[in-house]
Amino acid sequence: AQSVAQPEDQVNVAEGNPLTVKCTYSVSGNPYLFWYVQYPNRGLQFLLKYITGDNLVKGSYGFEAEFNKSQTSFHLKKPSALVSDSALYFCAVGVSGSARQLTFGSGTQLTVLP
Amino acid sequence: DAMVIQNPRYQVTQFGKPVTLSCSQTLNHNVMYWYQQKSSQAPKLLFHYYDKDFNNEADTPDNFQSRRPNTSFCFLDIRSPGLGDAAMYLCATSRDHSPPNEQYFGPGTRLTVT
Repeated sequence: AQSVAQPEDQVNVAEGNPLTVKCTYSVSGNPYLFWYVQYPNRGLQFLLKYITGDNLVKGSYGFEAEFNKSQTSFHLKKPSALVSDSALYFCAVGVSGSARQLTFGSGTQLTVLP
Repeated sequence: DAMVIQNPRYQVTQFGKPVTLSCSQTLNHNVMYWYQQKSSQAPKLLFHYYDKDFNNEADTPDNFQSRRPNTSFCFLDIRSPGLGDAAMYLCATSRDHSPPNEQYFGPGTRLTVT
């Protein structure tokens, strides 16, 4: 079985401050982890992924994510938030060789306050 | 630019009147997915095609059907839409599905059922 949890429905941060959007996962096997962003009335946009290797993954628009195997987490981070980062963020997990496709988290609404 | 295109962006249909949503891609990806998303919730996978092989999710209602006549196009048919089928429908593609690849999403079709 595979599952992913985003414990915060809403995250508010001031512009210029660092941001973190949390994600934890549960899989049998090695996880493939993804972050997506969704703006209103748009599809999801791929931000970054972790497959193997360096635990710190860098992605689009200055975002990065840190894979922590012991804590089964894959938190999304950005050193300095922009108002334009305000959007809905989804974490997703998959496993190679599984019949199941990606499992998405419930989403976290990020609001960056000017 | 290579992309995933969905038409129409907004679709209004009447209760019980069949409707077809379309998706096309210029990425030449093997896999095409259809998701249903309600009210900023996690996207729910309805089915996917790996090339011509159709894979239905166990909990997808029979009311939802799909066709993939060629690599570039995929259609979602809702045979008798109910009020509960009002949602955003997202098409996505990926190069492969095992191991899990990042998915590229279209802008979505927002379906209203009157």
